[in-house]
Amino acid sequence: AQSVTQLDSHVSVSEGTPVLLRCNYSSSYSPSLFWYVQHPNKGLQLLLKYTSAATLVKGINGFEAEFKKSETSFHLTKPSAHMSDAAEYFCVVSDSYRSNTGKLIFGQGTTLQVKP
Amino acid sequence: DAEITQSPRHKITETGRQVTLACHQTWNHNNMFWYRQDLGHGLRLIHYSYGVQDTNKGEVSDGYSVSRSNTEDLPLTLESAASSQTSVYFCASSESLASGRETQYFGPGTRLLVL
Repeated sequence: AQSVTQLDSHVSVSEGTPVLLRCNYSSSYSPSLFWYVQHPNKGLQLLLKYTSAATLVKGINGFEAEFKKSETSFHLTKPSAHMSDAAEYFCVVSDSYRSNTGKLIFGQGTTLQVKP
Repeated sequence: DAEITQSPRHKITETGRQVTLACHQTWNHNNMFWYRQDLGHGLRLIHYSYGVQDTNKGEVSDGYSVSRSNTEDLPLTLESAASSQTSVYFCASSESLASGRETQYFGPGTRLLVL
């Protein structure tokens, strides 16, 4: 069964410094992987997704993630944090490739705090 | 522009009452999903639908039901609201792709408080 683990529940960085949010997944098949962001009292917005094309995926707002099959990881990075990046981030795996169901399995989320 | 909307955005109800949360999408997506979000659990799937007249149970379906009479709407009903159903509810939709690698688009959420 597919699963996803976000290794940090809370990450704090200073504005202008790099961001690293860690995610490991478990999947018996070639997974689809996503990062979603949720700002306070808002819905979820797709940052980026991996679907077996290029292993380095570029998303919106300067974020990118690298799919590493050997490490079963899909960490999210950004070279320089901005105050507006403060939010909850979810790493998500889909089992759609195996069963064509399109169901998503969410990690528990990482809260990113950006200090001035 | 196409969008997905939820109503109401906030709801307070009493235990034992029936509550229905609306979800409407204008993308003409076949797939629609309902999730609940609770601290420490991320988002968990309640029910989902792959098309008109199709509904399926997710991992936390007890006490909830859905119906799909058209492509645009998937209302979520709490048959007899319980305090444990206090949560934030998100609706999502996606296309049906042959690859199965769809992206889900989420609504703004409904905050439900059961007293």
